[in-house]
Amino acid sequence: DTAVSQTPKYLVTQMGNDKSIKCEQNLGHDTMYWYKQDSKKFLKIMFSYNNKELIINETVPNRFSPKSPDKAHLNLHINSLELGDSAVYFCASSQKTSGTDTQYFGPGTRLTVL
Amino acid sequence: GNSVTQMEGPVTLSEEAFLTINCTYTATGYPSLFWYVQYPGEGLQLLLKATKADDKGSNKGFEATYRKETTSFHLEKGSVQVSDSAVYFCALDNQGGKLIFGQGTELSVKP
Repeated sequence: DTAVSQTPKYLVTQMGNDKSIKCEQNLGHDTMYWYKQDSKKFLKIMFSYNNKELIINETVPNRFSPKSPDKAHLNLHINSLELGDSAVYFCASSQKTSGTDTQYFGPGTRLTVL
Repeated sequence: GNSVTQMEGPVTLSEEAFLTINCTYTATGYPSLFWYVQYPGEGLQLLLKATKADDKGSNKGFEATYRKETTSFHLEKGSVQVSDSAVYFCALDNQGGKLIFGQGTELSVKP
């Protein structure tokens, strides 16, 4: 069973479109995250949610809106896609928000904006 | 602010060679330190971690020691295998789940 799953794995779309990426974890964790990995493989946190509540919101354009319908799901909706949004997006989860917890990552969604 | 600096890659080694990937950090307080590994086409997975000074994390023959005096967490392995080829990320967390990553070091091990 996959611990953290994301759909879709690949997403190719035109500039200006709106798209969503879904994430689900079956680990029973309280906290979920979204990270962006750029073409140089640099990883940066975007958001985190604990029990459906937003707790980390980095300086991300407000075209990006996370939504957590329950603590096992954290979806990422992106409006008005731009070329610079092309990246690999990783979802992750951890037991709590303690700084010592291991984060478990999904396989990633490669977004290409044309 | 908090930051992590890793040695630049790519690093190319022959099988059974000794591996060191340097990692230093800047942080306020007492962060936890992590090494994550990303195999081609996959997500990241935890390799090892240390949560306080002088702790040694170890897994699969890899080890790293949390050195507060030198603000370092260097990754070592005595004998690498082809299957260790991957990108290795050093990271810190001192803000309750906000992982700060280094730029990643690509390792390629040749038979």
